[in-house]
Amino acid sequence: EDQVTQSPEALRLQEGESSSLNCSYTVSGLRGLFWYRQDPGKGPEFLFTLYSAGEEKEKERLKATLTKKESFLHITAPKPEDSATYLCAVGSWGGSQGNLIFGKGTKLSVKP
Amino acid sequence: GAGVSQTPSNKVTEKGKYVELRCDPISGHTALYWYRQSLGQGPEFLIYFQGTGAADDSGLPNDRFFAVRPEGSVSTLKIQRTERGDSAVYLCASSLSFGTGNNEQFFGPGTRLTVL
Repeated sequence: EDQVTQSPEALRLQEGESSSLNCSYTVSGLRGLFWYRQDPGKGPEFLFTLYSAGEEKEKERLKATLTKKESFLHITAPKPEDSATYLCAVGSWGGSQGNLIFGKGTKLSVKP
Repeated sequence: GAGVSQTPSNKVTEKGKYVELRCDPISGHTALYWYRQSLGQGPEFLIYFQGTGAADDSGLPNDRFFAVRPEGSVSTLKIQRTERGDSAVYLCASSLSFGTGNNEQFFGPGTRLTVL
């Protein structure tokens, strides 16, 4: 069964304190791994897609990496405006084609 | 350009009533998806359309839920005989098409459904 597990559930950082969020996955053929940001009361906002192990993508203070079993979202020198819930999702070539399997998310709080 | 829009933003109904939730995808996107998100959880897949047809409806929880996309653009999610357990945020997303490299899904703001 396709599954996504994110850790930690919640993370509190001081402004400028770098850290990483983890996304572990099991899928029957990875079609893609997706990172989203979700602010309270809003829909998920697309950040990155990763397709193969070893791939990396960056956007401002965020960098996403991918291995065969997990993905990391590295946050460098975060600012309070980076506070949000970060969702990881996988697309599978297996039984659930056409949809994304989401984790429960990591709620990030960055204090000034 | 305009993103995915959903109406209404909030819907309060009574148990047993019928509701319709509307999604207007990004112009030119052929694939459209419906998800449901409960508090503290990630979105959960319901159904997706490629054009006018439902390509995968395996996530619909039971036959009270139905969705249509008659002209390949706007979609409506319909819930009959609503139950309190149906209360959640219903999210719609669209993508250029289904397939590697162009399957990034862009979400709307959601409709918060509350069943009293």
